[in-house]
Amino acid sequence: RKEVEQDPGPFNVPEGATVAFNCTYSNSASQSFFWYRQDCRKEPKLLMSVYSSGNEDGRFTAQLNRASQYISLLIRDSKLSDSATYLCVVNSRDSNYQLIWGAGTKLIIKP
Amino acid sequence: DAGVIQSPRHEVTEMGQEVTLRCKPISGHNSLFWYRQTMMRGLELLIYFNNNVPIDDSGMPEDRFSAKMPNASFSTLKIQPSEPRDSAVYFCASSPRDRPYEQYFGPGTRLTVT
Repeated sequence: RKEVEQDPGPFNVPEGATVAFNCTYSNSASQSFFWYRQDCRKEPKLLMSVYSSGNEDGRFTAQLNRASQYISLLIRDSKLSDSATYLCVVNSRDSNYQLIWGAGTKLIIKP
Repeated sequence: DAGVIQSPRHEVTEMGQEVTLRCKPISGHNSLFWYRQTMMRGLELLIYFNNNVPIDDSGMPEDRFSAKMPNASFSTLKIQPSEPRDSAVYFCASSPRDRPYEQYFGPGTRLTVT
């Protein structure tokens, strides 16, 4: 079983719709969680950290469910520019610095 | 502020040749990471440094791969000899001392070994 699992998609969503991704992680001791975004042929970029109480940044909301070991990302009022691959990331049990990366969920926003 | 700088951006080489990839982390960051990304395997951590010291190189695929960080502003990843299966995008990332999980990536080096 992979340490971080995501639905690879693609999710094809009309502009203006709300879309949600989930991600599950295997290490119950993980303490830090993140969503990164990667555009086609570009580098990954940090989108947002995920806090225990859930957090929001504009149209983006991230939530953590420790009991079920999953993380979610909700995008409201989706824009064409939201088209990208969204990577779920969790800190490694073996290191204070190493991250474990999901394979990513591809999102395509259609006009 | 300058981000992570990588060179070259593209490299095409023949099997058996030596390849050297270069990275300049963001000034003041004390951790540096080398990743490889392919369609089949996704993003894989090869090695990371903390305060210029290699901490974990368990992701380095073979002895053909080596990495150095002679000072806080420069790192290299070398493949010798290169093989076609090394073809991938190689990313360098750095993170600050107070937020070690916030990794800032360079634009990557797209390596093709023929």
